[in-house]
Parts: sequence; structure tokens; C-alpha cells
Amino acid sequence: AQTVTQSQPEMSVQEAETVTLSCTYDTSENNYYLFWYKQPPSRQMILVIRQEAYKQQNATENRFSVNFQKAAKSFSLKISDSQLGDTAMYFCAFMNLKGAQKLVFGQGTRLTINP
Amino acid sequence: DAGITQSPRHKVTETGTPVTLRCHQTENHRYMYWYRQDPGHGLRLIHYSYGVKDTDKGEVSDGYSVSRSKTEDFLLTLESATSSQTSVYFCAISGTSNEQFFGPGTRLTVL
Repeated sequence: AQTVTQSQPEMSVQEAETVTLSCTYDTSENNYYLFWYKQPPSRQMILVIRQEAYKQQNATENRFSVNFQKAAKSFSLKISDSQLGDTAMYFCAFMNLKGAQKLVFGQGTRLTINP
Repeated sequence: DAGITQSPRHKVTETGTPVTLRCHQTENHRYMYWYRQDPGHGLRLIHYSYGVKDTDKGEVSDGYSVSRSKTEDFLLTLESATSSQTSVYFCAISGTSNEQFFGPGTRLTVL
């Protein structure tokens, strides 16, 4: 079974700073995807970024980028030039491409951006 | 936004009563999922469906049952609600893109 671990329950940074959220996972599979989801106070789950395991290049989406280290089973999220609207819970998630595309989530990191 | 709705959005019920939550999609996606969200646990999979009448258990399925009689609807039933089932419940759908889209969530309180 796969497991996902987020070791930082809470983080807090000043607006415009860069922040990195950590995620590690455990799997014996070779074909999988990794995701970061954002959950603002509205409770809606919003996909931030995804990484296909077969791709060596790290995914980027505007101010969001990942550092994917497959051998180390590490998948961190970097937010550059942080904004007040980035305040949210962030979840790391793993998807095994065999079968029904189920997601396994980490425990979440509560990120607060201070003005 | 993916066309996915959940009803009700909030519900308060008493221990021992049956509860049914509904997930409805307009995307014609094959896969549908029910997760629960609890502090310190992230989201955990309860049940999922890979087609009409095709369902399977997830990580935390005890005390829950599901049904999918139409592509667009996936029902989650708590036969006899317990206080440990107080949670926020999310439905999600997935098609061919290997990406899951989530509904707005249902907050369930069992007194």
C-alpha cells in the first residue's frame, strides 16, 4: 500500500516570500502521478500542480513549482512571491496508475501568508 | 469547473439514524469516489465506483455502503450513523485525464 507523509502541520511566511512544503511517499510502483491540492477556507479542493513520475523535468505552474526526487520519493512544492490568497491547507497526493486512479493523501500542511 | 454537485451540503442527524449523501455529475466520467476529511488525516477513500453497478471498498469503508445505478449518480449511505462518522465528505470524479475533480463537500454532524 502507498503512504504519503507531510511532516509540516503548519507553516507561516510573510507576503512575497518563497515557501517550500515537504512531501514524501512510499510505493513499490513505477508508474504513478503526484499532485498538490489547495483547500482554501471555502473548503473547495483545487488542483495546484501535478507531476508524472516518468517525467524527469519538474512541473511548474506560474508561481508554483515542484522538486520531484524519484529515488528519494520526495515531492516538495515551492511557492514563489507568496500572496495572501495562497493561505490555505495544502495536500500532497499519490495516484497509482494501475486500476481505478485512486488518490492517497497526506495529512496536509496549513499555510498562512501574513501581510 | 467540472460539473459535480453534492447534496445536502450540511446535515445534522442523530446516532442510529440512516443517512444518504448524493453525488451528481454532468461530465459522464467513468470513475466516482467518496472521501472523508478529518483533522490530521487528510482525505481518506471510503468507496469508489468504476462503472454503473461496479463499486469497491476503499481504506475506511466500515459502516458505509454505496450504490451507482446511473453514470451520473453515486450515493453514499450510512446505515446507522455514529458519532465517529461526523466528518466532511467529498465526492470526486475522474475520466481519462488521470485527474480528479472534487465536489464542494458535505459537512455531516452526528449527535
